[in-house]
Amino acid sequence: GAVVSQHPSRVICKSGTSVKIECRSLDFQATTMFWYRQFPKQSLMLMATSNEGSKATYEQGVEKDKFLINHASLTLSTLTVTSAHPEDSSFYICSASDGQGTGTDTQYFGPGTRLTVL
Amino acid sequence: DAKTTQPPSMDCAEGRAANLPCNHSTISGNEYVYWYRQIHSQGPQYIIHGLKNNETNEMASLIITEDRKSSTLILPHATLRDTAVYYCIVRGTSYDKVIFGPGTSLSVIP
Repeated sequence: GAVVSQHPSRVICKSGTSVKIECRSLDFQATTMFWYRQFPKQSLMLMATSNEGSKATYEQGVEKDKFLINHASLTLSTLTVTSAHPEDSSFYICSASDGQGTGTDTQYFGPGTRLTVL
Repeated sequence: DAKTTQPPSMDCAEGRAANLPCNHSTISGNEYVYWYRQIHSQGPQYIIHGLKNNETNEMASLIITEDRKSSTLILPHATLRDTAVYYCIVRGTSYDKVIFGPGTSLSVIP
C-alpha cells in the first residue's frame, strides 16, 4: 500500500517554543490530509483537515492560531505547534488518501510524532 | 461522535480465530466499513474495507450483515503480534473525515 511518512518521529522542546511536524505522502499525491492527536490510553482525535492550496478546516475546540497547518504541495502538509506548552505533549498523527475521493479510497496513516514539551 | 460501537476489550488464544464485532446501525447507503488497527505507539494500519459483500485479504476477512448494520473482522489465526487496538470506522468518500471511536483492545494470549 501507499506510504505516509512523518518527521520527526519524536521531539522534545522547551515550553514557549514552536515545533513543526512534516507529513509526506511518499509515492502518491494527496489533495487532502488529516491531522490527529492522541493522548495516552485514548483514541485518535481529529484536529483538522488539510487541503492542498487552501485553508485548513479545524475541528471544534482546536485553536487554529496555535496549530498552524500548511498544505503547500500534493505530497506535503505541515503542522506547527506554536508556543508549545506541556499540555500540548501528545502523539500527533497524519493521514492521507491515494485516491480520487471515492468510498473505496484507502486512507493511510503516518507513523506518528511524539511531542514532549518540558 | 463515532458512528460505530465496539466492545472495549477482547482476549484470544494464540493460533485461534479472533472475531471482532462492530455495530454501525446508522450506516448510510454510500458508506463503507473500514477496519484499522493500532499497535502501541504506532500510527494506525489499514486492514480491510467493504461496502456490502464479504471481503478477504492476506490479513483478515470482513463479514458484513445483509442489513449492513453490523460487521465482524476475522483474524483467522491470531498471533501475539496481532495484539493491538482495532478500530471499526464507517466512511463515505476519502475526503470525509474519519472519526475514531475507542476501538477494541485485542489481547492475544500465548
